[in-house]
Amino acid sequence: QQQVRQSPQSLTVWEGETAILNCSYEDSTFNYFPWYQQFPGEGPALLISIRSVSDKKEDGRFTIFFNKREKKLSLHITDSQPGDSATYFCAASAGSTNAYKVIFGKGTHLHVLP
Amino acid sequence: DMKVTQMPRYLIKRMGENVLLECGQDMSHETMYWYRQDPGLGLQLIYISYDVDSNSEGDIPKGYRVSRKKREHFSLILDSAKTNQTSVYFCASSTGQNTEVFFGKGTRLTVV
Repeated sequence: QQQVRQSPQSLTVWEGETAILNCSYEDSTFNYFPWYQQFPGEGPALLISIRSVSDKKEDGRFTIFFNKREKKLSLHITDSQPGDSATYFCAASAGSTNAYKVIFGKGTHLHVLP
Repeated sequence: DMKVTQMPRYLIKRMGENVLLECGQDMSHETMYWYRQDPGLGLQLIYISYDVDSNSEGDIPKGYRVSRKKREHFSLILDSAKTNQTSVYFCASSTGQNTEVFFGKGTRLTVV
């Protein structure tokens, strides 16, 4: 049972381009959506997050767009840099007794070519 | 310095041996987690701990058990390890609901 889906599985962009990573979910009780960035040999680290009361969250070159009606969100990385090459996980949790349980997608491998 | 520390970082065990993975955090977080990460499968939740001696199964608890006797320490135990438990195991912690989860660097376990 996969509650959080990510696409594409792998994405390659040129330096300076905008990378768009997609995520969708099934559980309508989810209300917190963090994105984690993971480099090889490291654990995931929080990059940016959004709560379901918002439809957009921006932090520098990273922006989350959220569509609650369609249960979809996307992470846009503008002016992509080779240092952004990593695996990005979309995650979700619910504002209820299951709020502690964070469900991760399978990840998108981003490659930024110089 | 906020940190989740996992020991050991690399471990090779024979099938049938017992395995102990240890995790510590210095942030006084109440909630701690064990995940495993396999290629193409993302992060799968094994166990959650809400505090000392307050543990709950995650999505894939079979073959694992946990122990949390101090808030800062959370252990994952594999009794009689199996080859399909070869994976990278991540410990993590958070302050609670819908907050940032801090991950350790992982333990790469190989069961031969």
